[in-house]
Amino acid sequence: GQQVMQIPQYQHVQEGEDFTTYCNSSTTLSNIQWYKQRPGGHPVFLIQLVKSGEVKKQKRLTFQFGEAKKNSSLHITATQTTDVGTYFCAGERQSGGSNYKLTFGKGTLLTVNP
Amino acid sequence: NAGVTQTPKFQVLKTGQSMTLQCAQDMNHEYMSWYRQDPGMGLRLIHYSVGAGITDQGEVPNGYNVSRSTTEDFPLRLLSAAPSQTSVYFCASKGQFNYGYTFGSGTRLTVV
Repeated sequence: GQQVMQIPQYQHVQEGEDFTTYCNSSTTLSNIQWYKQRPGGHPVFLIQLVKSGEVKKQKRLTFQFGEAKKNSSLHITATQTTDVGTYFCAGERQSGGSNYKLTFGKGTLLTVNP
Repeated sequence: NAGVTQTPKFQVLKTGQSMTLQCAQDMNHEYMSWYRQDPGMGLRLIHYSVGAGITDQGEVPNGYNVSRSTTEDFPLRLLSAAPSQTSVYFCASKGQFNYGYTFGSGTRLTVV
């Protein structure tokens, strides 16, 4: 079945340092989505990338989708303590007819030392 | 507009008991899914639905049943609870033309 691998599993940074998490799918994706989960909370949707080579920015966050639509990355510039949480990528692909399955990576837990 | 509502928030079951985790959304979303989250395992898809009357299996469907009789509700049934089903369960929904899923706040289930 489809697998979505995400690295690193953990990342600890000093406040102000940059952070990057990488996501790789075993199959070509229709789109890739990114979610953030604060400790004790539920996943919250951040963004969706659909086009090959797409790059999107949200303030200090930059999201990229690979040319082959099988890999993606999330980069945070100058981390802040509010960035703490687990970042998940999730790949969506068609699974027969109009069915779309969303498969999550295992996530990267980001901790920030103030 | 409540979004995705999951009940109960916490539950303790004895091995062999059955129960239903409730999920309701008020956004008229077509797509609904159930995930379980275990430490170090991310979110794994249990069952999903693309509309009323249509359900399909995800990665880890064994031991769970679902039905989708209405657009709003997508209950998850544990047939005979096992300790391996101790987990946090999330329900999520998405409109056909929306980006991204909206998650409920989760149900923390312990099976003893």
